[in-house]
Amino acid sequence: EVQLVQSGAEVKKPGESLKISCKGSGYSFTSYWIGWVRQMPGKGLEWMGIIYPGDSDTRYSPSFQGQVTISADKSISTAYLQWSSLKASDTAMYYCARLTVSAGHYFDYWGQGTLVTVSS
Amino acid sequence: QLVLTQSPSASASLGASVKLTCTLSSGHSSYAIAWHQQQPEKGPRYLMKLNSDGSHSKGDGIPDRFSGSSSGAERYLTISSLQSEDEADYYCQTWGTGISVVFGGGTKLTVL
Repeated sequence: EVQLVQSGAEVKKPGESLKISCKGSGYSFTSYWIGWVRQMPGKGLEWMGIIYPGDSDTRYSPSFQGQVTISADKSISTAYLQWSSLKASDTAMYYCARLTVSAGHYFDYWGQGTLVTVSS
Repeated sequence: QLVLTQSPSASASLGASVKLTCTLSSGHSSYAIAWHQQQPEKGPRYLMKLNSDGSHSKGDGIPDRFSGSSSGAERYLTISSLQSEDEADYYCQTWGTGISVVFGGGTKLTVL
């Protein structure tokens, strides 16, 4: 069974750093892209970027380039999303999802989400 | 520019059918999309991939009540025999060159 399990909710102050995780199991972690998706309170889904754990090839949405860093550790089947200096506007739910590689590129499995709250 | 357009809201009665629409931007009518469901206070769930010819492949455990179809630049999700748990937000998603992912704005479905 394919599973993506994300790290727990975080409460941080503006200016702090943060790294959240997404652990994959039940499939070959190095053979699929993992994507990160933001959902701000009451809003829709926004694609942030993707990483291919097999070779760490990373692509970012222009809206998020330079704002976050996506990485992966294939030895432990885990992808990461990190911020160096959080802002209040980073308050959102963040989802990881597996991106298919054949017959198109769409998310076919999702993590349960990590709620990030940034408040002074 | 690759854009997906969805109506913000839709409603239908319990037991009835509803057809949600996702429209691809000009010049992209041959693109496939995926449909995702997000029930209240839950994470998204993949429903199906839908090709331009209307063929579709559903995710694990998705009921037969969910089906997809296509016409030109429009991609449809039809839900028949509506149940209360179908009340959710529905998002379409596609991909552009360089594997750039695009989401539609989502449709909030209310089951009356």
